[in-house]
Amino acid sequence: SQQGEEDPQALSIQEGENATMNCSYKTSINNLQWYRQNSGRGLVHLILIRSNEREKHSGRLRVTLDTSKKSSSLLITASRAADTASYFCATVTTDSWGKFQFGAGTQVVVTP
Amino acid sequence: EPEVTQTPSHQVTQMGQEVILRCVPISNHLYFYWYRQILGQKVEFLVSFYNNEISEKSEIFDDQFSVERPDGSNFTLKIRSTKLEDSAMYFCASRLAGGSYNEQFFGPGTRLTVL
Repeated sequence: SQQGEEDPQALSIQEGENATMNCSYKTSINNLQWYRQNSGRGLVHLILIRSNEREKHSGRLRVTLDTSKKSSSLLITASRAADTASYFCATVTTDSWGKFQFGAGTQVVVTP
Repeated sequence: EPEVTQTPSHQVTQMGQEVILRCVPISNHLYFYWYRQILGQKVEFLVSFYNNEISEKSEIFDDQFSVERPDGSNFTLKIRSTKLEDSAMYFCASRLAGGSYNEQFFGPGTRLTVL
């Protein structure tokens, strides 16, 4: 598998439910960042978690990082129709100049 | 709030033509990046640029590609002779110096269509 792989590939939920998606990676990282992309649009930064952090919150978002398992999760609580988008994790490895390696993303559809 | 801008938003070109995609990074940022996203696929790293030179590039970034920071504000990606498979969304990004912990700010992208 490639650096920064998300699962599930697609997620369909009702408004008000929580959405959880996971990201796994293979090599040591400096940090991991989550981005959102609406169809055909740009990348919106959601949250950054450093390799020495285990959990971060931002509004309805909660991100965890387990460096021993090389995995991260993104939880969106009380989802809204406007959360419909693709979500990507991006890792910055310790041997890079800060380049991102993106996963294939999780496509989330929130129905009213 | 400062943001990365890109022009044009959409570029249509004929195969074999040269294209230049333009980006204006955030003014106090020092690291610059180009990524591309082929429709329906993941975002792929192309090149990073620091201190007026390429610091890292991917296998995709072959001799047909070049980058330049011509005037201290713009950051350009040139594709010398476009191919059909160059059709993609191209994103520019920038970040502050001070290690890889800083957030990368992405531009809205340029959609390149090669006919």
